[in-house]
Amino acid sequence: DTGVSQDPRHKITKRGQNVTFRCDPISEHNRLYWYRQTLGQGPEFLTYFQNEAQLEKSRLLSDRFSAERPKGSFSTLEIQRTEQGDSAMYLCASSLGTSGSTQYFGPGTRLTVL
Amino acid sequence: QKEVEQNSGPLSVPEGAIASLNCTYSDRVSQSFFWYRQYSGKSPELIMSIYSNGDKEDGRFTAQLNKASQYVSLLIRDSQPSDSATYLCAVWAGANNLFFGTGTRLTVIP
Repeated sequence: DTGVSQDPRHKITKRGQNVTFRCDPISEHNRLYWYRQTLGQGPEFLTYFQNEAQLEKSRLLSDRFSAERPKGSFSTLEIQRTEQGDSAMYLCASSLGTSGSTQYFGPGTRLTVL
Repeated sequence: QKEVEQNSGPLSVPEGAIASLNCTYSDRVSQSFFWYRQYSGKSPELIMSIYSNGDKEDGRFTAQLNKASQYVSLLIRDSQPSDSATYLCAVWAGANNLFFGTGTRLTVIP
């Protein structure tokens, strides 16, 4: 069990560019979550997958954001036309079983939009 | 609106003392409660989970839950400088995600 992994760990981009992040959950974990965390705040929920189905999206997830989990394994989060306000740590978490079970976080991807 | 409130701190304790971290939540149907530790620039790491009223102990850590008062706490005994971090309280209330507080920054002074 290698834990949740995320790639890249850091991303610096210019405003208006598109970026894509990848998350590999713990093997066999059926649930995968994306959160965003800004300085001094706790993680805020963005979206959630159960297997390959995206079952919930936060109002924080604007139309510029899209997430996929095509085969129920890894997931990608894409941000189009990045804005400076998108600068944050993007965290992926996974869990096994029912909702409410423990979520384990990856190392995060820190995005800086210039 | 589900809210999780934590004192942002910073909370400073001397090495070897007990650190007490508190969290209150607004949603009475909340069922699962988690404490995560987050070092600066790192991701949250699970410390404890608690589901029933009372105390749950794991090594130097004790989580306490009082659903009637909508209150959950984390005690760290024999605090060490390596415990210096931000501690996040997270609550699950039947939705598909956790609701987090803003965290309490703990500093253990050698």
